Amino acid sequence: EPEVTQTPSHQVTQMGQEVILRCVPISNHLYFYWYRQILGQKVEFLVSFYNNEISEKSEIFDDQFSVERPDGSNFTLKIRSTKLEDSAMYFCASSEGGQGNEKLFFGSGTQLSVL
Amino acid sequence: AQSVTQLGSHVSVSEGALVLLRCNYSSSVPPYLFWYVQYPNQGLQLLLKYTSAATLVKGINGFEAEFKKSETSFHLTKPSAHMSDAAEYFCAVYNQGGKLIFGQGTELSVKP
Repeated sequence: EPEVTQTPSHQVTQMGQEVILRCVPISNHLYFYWYRQILGQKVEFLVSFYNNEISEKSEIFDDQFSVERPDGSNFTLKIRSTKLEDSAMYFCASSEGGQGNEKLFFGSGTQLSVL
Repeated sequence: AQSVTQLGSHVSVSEGALVLLRCNYSSSVPPYLFWYVQYPNQGLQLLLKYTSAATLVKGINGFEAEFKKSETSFHLTKPSAHMSDAAEYFCAVYNQGGKLIFGQGTELSVKP
């Protein structure tokens, strides 16, 4: 089965630093997502992206966050100035279509630790 | 607003025993419901989904779930647990814009 790949698997950074989390979605997929899971909490939606635009974003996705599809294959999540509370597992996902019954394919995640 | 609640953050069963993981949903419209599984150090993998067709949905690895509107439930079952089923299981409901709303997860342990 095709896979969504995420790099790095672990990222440690200092508070206030910028981080970029990288994802390679499945090649024929058109919809892309970022979710995160703070330790011990629910998996939370951050943002969905389609046709080079944000489709939907949550309250968590404030001005410190941005997403980009720079080259037609990668899908990145940037956090401009990290805070301690940004420490979480970040999951990238993609799907062929954007309907409610679509299967989302998730990557294995990037564990971000902000010190 | 849509939401899901998973009853029990940890469930332990013996190998060969019935697995029952509970999920209740809240939705103002007919929901699309999902069960995902997360094995250690891996991403979320879709087990099965309900999209308003058959109320009994069969998924991978012998799992199935039944949509019960009257009980607003979508519980996940497997007749006979295997050691390889040990993982974290997440129930989720679809919201607009490609957003999945996840439950808090249930960790399944399988004892030999």
